[in-house]
Amino acid sequence: GQQLNQSPQSMFIQEGEDVSMNCTSSSIFNTWLWYKQEPGEGPVLLIALYKAGELTSNGRLTAQFGITRKDSFLNISASIPSDVGIYFCAGRDRAGNNRKLIWGLGTSLAVNP
Amino acid sequence: GAVVSQHPSRVICKSGTSVKIECRSLDFQATTMFWYRQFPKKSLMLMATSNEGSKATYEQGVEKDKFLINHASLTLSTLTVTSAHPEDSSFYICSAKSTGANTEAFFGQGTRLTVV
Repeated sequence: GQQLNQSPQSMFIQEGEDVSMNCTSSSIFNTWLWYKQEPGEGPVLLIALYKAGELTSNGRLTAQFGITRKDSFLNISASIPSDVGIYFCAGRDRAGNNRKLIWGLGTSLAVNP
Repeated sequence: GAVVSQHPSRVICKSGTSVKIECRSLDFQATTMFWYRQFPKKSLMLMATSNEGSKATYEQGVEKDKFLINHASLTLSTLTVTSAHPEDSSFYICSAKSTGANTEAFFGQGTRLTVV
């Protein structure tokens, strides 16, 4: 099925550094979501975006819905060890939030204390 | 946020047996539930979407007779893996959502199924 292009695939950073990851699609999206998944757990929603250009923060996390509606980025500022996990972008290419999500392949984040 | 509880968290079963996984929304009415499968270091793969009281809609390539989904109430959906084989071993995750604009699904903690 369709998947989003998410990059980078993995990141190894030092504690305190900022992190940036992004997702792109070949078609226009109506919704962009960012999730974090820790080992052996289900994903947890971090930020939801519903309008082109929308910029939303959740603590040290900031995400934006690209103006072209074909991309989104997630930034994490001043990373800490508990930021470790896999970050997934997901979105919908059509209206209606009962429609299935299309998922990125994930960005694995490792933070060196 | 809302709580979705998935049970069991881990299960080991013998080949040929069936396994039932439960997904419960604890503090909201889940009109729609989704079942995913996730392989190691891979993304989530949607298996089926179920609406309360209706038959589940399965994704292409997912055998509905092998992965039986029941969504009989607004707080419970079950996935039964029938006649399990080792290749069915995987991490299965459910998510549940209520109705309403801009409401997103909450995920359960997942079930690690190992078929021996």
